[in-house]
Amino acid sequence: DTAVSQTPKYLVTQMGNDKSIKCEQNLGHDTMYWYKQDSKKFLKIMFSYNNKELIINETVPNRFSPKSPDKAHLNLHINSLELGDSAVYFCASSQRKNYGYTFGSGTRLTVV
Amino acid sequence: KNEVEQSPQNLTAQEGEFITINCSYSVGISALHWLQQHPGGGIVSLFMLSSGKKKHGRLIATINIQEKHSSLHITASHPRDSAVYICAVRSSLSGGYQKVTFGTGTKLQVIP
Repeated sequence: DTAVSQTPKYLVTQMGNDKSIKCEQNLGHDTMYWYKQDSKKFLKIMFSYNNKELIINETVPNRFSPKSPDKAHLNLHINSLELGDSAVYFCASSQRKNYGYTFGSGTRLTVV
Repeated sequence: KNEVEQSPQNLTAQEGEFITINCSYSVGISALHWLQQHPGGGIVSLFMLSSGKKKHGRLIATINIQEKHSSLHITASHPRDSAVYICAVRSSLSGGYQKVTFGTGTKLQVIP
C-alpha cells in the first residue's frame, strides 16, 4: 500500500526518558512534516524536511530533533520527555509542486 | 488572534441537512487545505484550493481570495460525515518555502 506509516501508534513513557517515533512514506514525496496535536485538538507544525534539509522549525524546543536518513524517512527524537509533551504526533508528506498532503495515522504519546 | 479562524467550532446537524463550515484567514496565502479528522484520529486531506471551487462527491469547497475566506459544504449529510474539519493555509516564506497554519477545527456531529 502507498502510504505514510508511523510507529509506534501508542507510546507511554516516564518523564525524563528519551524516545523516538519513526515515519516512512513510499509516495515519492519530496517533503515530510511532523505535527503536534495538543489536548485541544489544535494542530501545529513542528518540522518540515525537503530533500533532507530542514526548512521550517516552528520554535520547537531543542529536545525535539528530526532525523532524516533519506527522503522517504523522517524520524522524531525526543530527549528528556516532559509531561507537556503528551500529545498526538502526526507525520505527513507532500510533493512541493502540488502541495497535497498525506498524513500518517498518528502516534499518541503519553508522558507519566 | 489566530491567523486562521474557523466557524462554527461545534456543529450538530440532522442527517440529510446541508452543512457549511467557514474559514477566514488574515495572511496572504498560496493555497488552502481542508482536512478531515475522524473520531479515531486519522487525518485525511479533502481539498487543496488556490482559487475558485472544487467538488468531490457530496463535498464542495470554495475560496474567495479577495475576501480571504473559504467554505466547506456538505450536501445530504450523513452520520459518517461526523468528524473534525480543519482548515489550513499555506503562505510563502523567503527562499521559496512555505509556512502552514492550521485553524482550530470544526467538530461536526450528524445525527441519524
